Amino acid sequence: NAGVMQNPRHLVRRRGQEARLRCSPMKGHSHVYWYRQLPEEGLKFMVYLQKENIIDESGMPKERFSAEFPKEGPSILRIQQVVRGDSAAYFCASSPPPWDRVMNTEAFFGQGTRLTVV
Amino acid sequence: GESVGLHLPTLSVQEGDNSIINCAYSNSASDYFIWYKQESGKGPQFIIDIRSNMDKRQGQRVTVLLNKTVKHLSLQIAATQPGDSAVYFCAENREGAQKLVFGQGTRLTINP
Repeated sequence: NAGVMQNPRHLVRRRGQEARLRCSPMKGHSHVYWYRQLPEEGLKFMVYLQKENIIDESGMPKERFSAEFPKEGPSILRIQQVVRGDSAAYFCASSPPPWDRVMNTEAFFGQGTRLTVV
Repeated sequence: GESVGLHLPTLSVQEGDNSIINCAYSNSASDYFIWYKQESGKGPQFIIDIRSNMDKRQGQRVTVLLNKTVKHLSLQIAATQPGDSAVYFCAENREGAQKLVFGQGTRLTINP
């Protein structure tokens, strides 16, 4: 059973370009979470999605950032018109429906996509 | 506002010694805490968790202590090994919220 798969692992974009980050959850997981990590900092929550639904996007910047989790295919985090401040590691986690503390289920993290804006 | 912070950004210990990594949190509504280990270039890896109705929980070579009075959390690693070198994060959660709030992290270095 493969873990959470993120691609690409490294992505370089010029300022003003678009970045698309993909996340395939673990088999059987229908809930996806995106986090951003700046160098030497902890992870910051961005968005929580179920299939075809955004449940909590309280951590998403108001502009240029969007996320989706279609019925088929991976979850996509899209950053339009990237700026240098978007350079970070972006992590995706997935859980069974949903992450349940009572059941002691675990949200598993992927290896991340490291975005560099030049 | 909410914050989960760590007292020490770096910690160096001798191989075989015990390590203690500390974490402070400020949200009194938090009732679930997790420690993660993150190796260079990798995603966070679950180590151990604890709920607010407990003050101590033990795993294999690791122990988490929770002091709700002073809003303090610690991770103890016994007999540290070179493979324990990583950045350790505490994260907190409160019931009803599906997101984790992470601390800044402590870099643990094991000296041979």
